[in-house]
Amino acid sequence: GQNIDQPTEMTATEGAIVQINCTYQTSGFNGLFWYQQHAGEAPTFLSYNVLDGLEEKGRFSSFLSRSKGYSYLLLKELQMKDSASYLCAVRDGNYQLIWGAGTKLIIKP
Amino acid sequence: DVKVTQSSRYLVKRTGEKVFLECVQDMDHENMFWYRQDPGLGLRLIYFSYDVKMKEKGDIPEGYSVSREKKERFSLILESASTNQTSMYLCASGRGTAHRNTQYFGPGTRLTVL
Repeated sequence: GQNIDQPTEMTATEGAIVQINCTYQTSGFNGLFWYQQHAGEAPTFLSYNVLDGLEEKGRFSSFLSRSKGYSYLLLKELQMKDSASYLCAVRDGNYQLIWGAGTKLIIKP
Repeated sequence: DVKVTQSSRYLVKRTGEKVFLECVQDMDHENMFWYRQDPGLGLRLIYFSYDVKMKEKGDIPEGYSVSREKKERFSLILESASTNQTSMYLCASGRGTAHRNTQYFGPGTRLTVL
């Protein structure tokens, strides 16, 4: 079956750096997405990777290794507003999105 | 900016009622999706549509149906609501099937079935 794994919850300190990992096993691969979802709100798009390597966008970066079925989202200079759930999703060989359960990130002062 | 709207943020219904959840997008997107989101589970796809009057079953279509009479509107129907359909329902839209196409989400409808 198809599977996306990410940690359920992580805690970090304001101003620090945190890395959220995502591993996947899917039938085919057509890209990996990271979304941010604040409590009670809709998911919003953060990043997309289809080739191996690091994509940087301001304080957020996303890395992909297709051979390892692995990605991570790196958040730098953490701010309190970064407290949210982070969802990893993989587009499989049929162009369907397979979603992870999300990682709840708690930022402490 | 892409805008996806859903008819209600919160809804309370009784077991056995017929429930309509409406979703409208204003970006002329071909694709529209209905998901449910429950604690500890990833987003689960209920139904999707790649064109007007076209629908495809997702992973958990049982107990649901959909309607897409116009490109901008995608409706989710619970024919006879049951308590296990209490959930957050998210509508999304997107363009085409190219690799990078992002899905844009509505604010969600939190449905409680009593």
